[in-house]
Amino acid sequence: QEKVQQSPESLIVPEGAMVSLNCSFSDSASQSIWWYQQHPGKGPKALISIFSNGNKKEGRLTVYLNRASLHVSLHIKDSQPSDSAVYLCAVSPLIASSSFSKLVFGQGTSLSVVP
Amino acid sequence: GPKVLQIPSHQIIDMGQMVTLNCDPVSNHLYFYWYKQILGQQMEFLVNFYNGKVMEKSKLFKDQFSVERPDGSYFTLKIQPTALEDSAVYFCASSPDINTLYFGAGTRLSVL
Repeated sequence: QEKVQQSPESLIVPEGAMVSLNCSFSDSASQSIWWYQQHPGKGPKALISIFSNGNKKEGRLTVYLNRASLHVSLHIKDSQPSDSAVYLCAVSPLIASSSFSKLVFGQGTSLSVVP
Repeated sequence: GPKVLQIPSHQIIDMGQMVTLNCDPVSNHLYFYWYKQILGQQMEFLVNFYNGKVMEKSKLFKDQFSVERPDGSYFTLKIQPTALEDSAVYFCASSPDINTLYFGAGTRLSVL
């Protein structure tokens, strides 16, 4: 059973700061790792995903994956108050030929960006 | 972006009653999911659905749970009968492929 742990639980940063969020998972064979953003009263929204070891950059977001250490991180550059939300790490277990994607979520990191 | 709508946003029912949670997925999506989130805990996978069939379900998907998408309209989760431990937020998601999931805002179910 895949397990996903996120740290920190919560984070408060000043506007313009670099934000770093961490996620560890239990199965090195997991397929994709996703980061979702969830604002209060809304559903999770996919931000960025990564499959291969290394990093991937999209706009102000950079994600780093190290399968050997079972660790993935999300970095948000030049954070804005609108970035305030819960960030969820989700791992897609290795897909067998007869199964479909099912994400295993972490408990989330609550980010507050203060003007 | 694509929107998944969930109706109602909050439902209150008495234990033992039947409840149906409705999800209006993105129109051209083929894969559908339900997730459950108990207050203060992480979201957990319940079931996925494709081509009119349940493809995979978790141990949380009890015998009292059922899903269907009649006539290609709403994707529904029915619980009959409900129990106190079914109180949670239920999130529906749809996907055009097996990768990117689009979530609704959730239905908060309160079983009294």
